[in-house]
Amino acid sequence: DAGITQSPRHKVTETGTPVTLRCHQTENHRYMYWYRQDPGHGLRLIHYSYGVKDTDKGEVSDGYSVSRSKTEDFLLTLESATSSQTSVYFCAISETNIQPQHFGDGTRLSIL
Amino acid sequence: QQQVKQSPQSLIVQKGGISIINCAYENTAFDYFPWYQQFPGKGPALLIAIRPDVSEKKEGRFTISFNKSAKQFSLHIMDSQPGDSATYFCAASNDYKLSFGAGTTVTVRA
Repeated sequence: DAGITQSPRHKVTETGTPVTLRCHQTENHRYMYWYRQDPGHGLRLIHYSYGVKDTDKGEVSDGYSVSRSKTEDFLLTLESATSSQTSVYFCAISETNIQPQHFGDGTRLSIL
Repeated sequence: QQQVKQSPQSLIVQKGGISIINCAYENTAFDYFPWYQQFPGKGPALLIAIRPDVSEKKEGRFTISFNKSAKQFSLHIMDSQPGDSATYFCAASNDYKLSFGAGTTVTVRA
C-alpha cells in the first residue's frame, strides 16, 4: 500500500469553525490531490498540488484552501465550515502526472 | 455536471456470475480510463486501467472493454466472488485530473 496517512480519520465540528485536514505521504511523490466523496457524485477534485508551494483549483474548490510547504504534507483547510461540506475527504498521490493515483483511507468530516 | 456517467447504481449477482458495469464520457481529450475498487471505510484502490489505443484489457477475472467511437467503456467481473462485493468507480483522465463516475455497489450472493 502507498504510504499515505490522513488525519484525523473522523471529526465532528460546528458550522463556522475552521477545520484543517492533513495528508502525509512517505513516497516522495510530486503530485498530491484532495477529493471529496458524496453519494451520487463519486469523487470530486477539490485542489491539487504539482510540487512544493505549487497548487491549483479543482472542480469544487469554493470554500477550501490548501497549502504544501513540504513534499510530504498537503493540508486542506475549511476556513469557515458549512454543513454542505460534510463529506468524506480523500487524499491521493501520484509520482508523475501520467502515473496512477493512490488514495489514503479518508477523513469523515461532519459539520453540525 | 458529471463528465463520466456510470450505470447501474447497484447490482446483485450470484457467486460465479458475471458483473457488468458501464461508463460513458463526452470529453474526447480523455486519454486514460482507470477503474477503482472501494471497500467500506477504505480509500479507492486502482483495479485495472486502459488507454484508448486498445479495445480490451484483461487482468485475472477483471476485463475492461473500450469503445472509442461510442465513447463508452465497461468493466466485466467474471466468476464473481463474495470478496468482490464493493463499490466500483470508473474514471477518466485528461493529464492528471481524474473525473469519476458516481459508483456502482456490487453485491455478490454466496
